Amino acid sequence: EVQLVESGGGLVKPGGSLRLSCGTSGFKFKTYTMNWVRQAPGKGLEWVSSISGSTSYTYYADSVKGRFTISRDNAKNSLDLQMTSLRAEDTAVYYCARGGGLGDSWGQGTPVTVSS
Amino acid sequence: DIQMTQSPSSLSASIGDRVTITCRASQSITTYLNWYQQKPGRAPKLLIFAASTLQSGVPSRFSGSGSGTDFTLTISSLQPEDFATYFCQQSYNSMWTFGQGTTVAIK
Repeated sequence: EVQLVESGGGLVKPGGSLRLSCGTSGFKFKTYTMNWVRQAPGKGLEWVSSISGSTSYTYYADSVKGRFTISRDNAKNSLDLQMTSLRAEDTAVYYCARGGGLGDSWGQGTPVTVSS
Repeated sequence: DIQMTQSPSSLSASIGDRVTITCRASQSITTYLNWYQQKPGRAPKLLIFAASTLQSGVPSRFSGSGSGTDFTLTISSLQPEDFATYFCQQSYNSMWTFGQGTTVAIK
């Protein structure tokens, strides 16, 4: 069974940093592009970042470019998102999602709140 | 960036109704279009990929069509468990974009 489990969310002050993780199991992790997608309270879905499987090419939404860094550890089947210079508008539930063309599996999400 | 526009943003329908949601892309995305269902407090669930292919385990009352810039999600006979928010998503390039969502509520 494919499983994705996010962790690391919490309350952080504006300007602060947070590192999210996504642990995975049940599939050949290194062969899949992985993504972070977020959802602000009461809002729609916003793609944040993606990283390819073995080559580790990375892509970022303009809203997070230069502040967030996506990475992966294929030996540990895990995905990370390092978030710095956090802003109130980064407040959201952050999901990791499997797939390059389509998100066929998602984690349950981890909430991030940026507030003083 | 490729913009995705869904309509309507919300609708009310009754059990057994046929429901249609549309999604328009700002440029041609051929058939790189996926549909998701999301219920409150839950992660999105993939319903349809490549515009018209039903994800495994998804009931056949869901169907998708379209290519280029215009796409449709149809629920042929609305069931109680279908009341949710639906999102389209383009995967034409590596930077996904989503429609703003359509909430299907009980009439």
